[in-house]
Amino acid sequence: DAGVIQSPRHEVTEMGQEVTLRCKPISGHNSLFWYRQTMMRGLELLIYFNNNVPIDDSGMPEDRFSAKMPNASFSTLKIQPSEPRDSAVYFCASSLPRGTGELFFGEGSRLTVL
Amino acid sequence: AQRVTQPEKLLSVFKGAPVELKCNYSYSGSPELFWYVQYSRQRLQLLLRHISRESIKGFTADLNKGETSFHLKKPFAQEEDSAMYYCALGGAQKLVFGQGTRLTINP
Repeated sequence: DAGVIQSPRHEVTEMGQEVTLRCKPISGHNSLFWYRQTMMRGLELLIYFNNNVPIDDSGMPEDRFSAKMPNASFSTLKIQPSEPRDSAVYFCASSLPRGTGELFFGEGSRLTVL
Repeated sequence: AQRVTQPEKLLSVFKGAPVELKCNYSYSGSPELFWYVQYSRQRLQLLLRHISRESIKGFTADLNKGETSFHLKKPFAQEEDSAMYYCALGGAQKLVFGQGTRLTINP
């Protein structure tokens, strides 16, 4: 298994543009998490899904952010419109159903908003 | 609410010296604590979990419920230990991370 796959790895865009980040979890994992990593705030949980259903989106910064999981093998995180303060590394992670608590992370998507 | 505090953003020690990365948590339920590590150009990965009471790469961490702490320790640091370390608290199905500590081991 290639592990959690994220795309794009790097994204540079201009303020106001729409950004879509993609994630493919490990097959058989039923929980999916989106995190944002910044120097100032470390790793922040944005939203997580169980069995494709959003369970907790309290970490989503504002209405400009939205996430979907249309099926067990795909999720998106969308920012519209993007702002410079959204610049960060966005990580996707997945885990087994009621497993050991271990999350398996993707390599991250580094977003730069100019 | 779940909260994790790592008071040191940066920690620098010499090779062979002891290392302690601090972690304190706040949680009203029964906590599950983890340490994750991110080496340069690698994915964030699990280092150890309190429930296993194991030593990984020479690192250990003891859960102290009285002090609500889960500090990570290693008696003799090695250069390959240089990395970003995150303490994480599991509960209510989600994992909350601290801000992270960047550990640098000087030769």
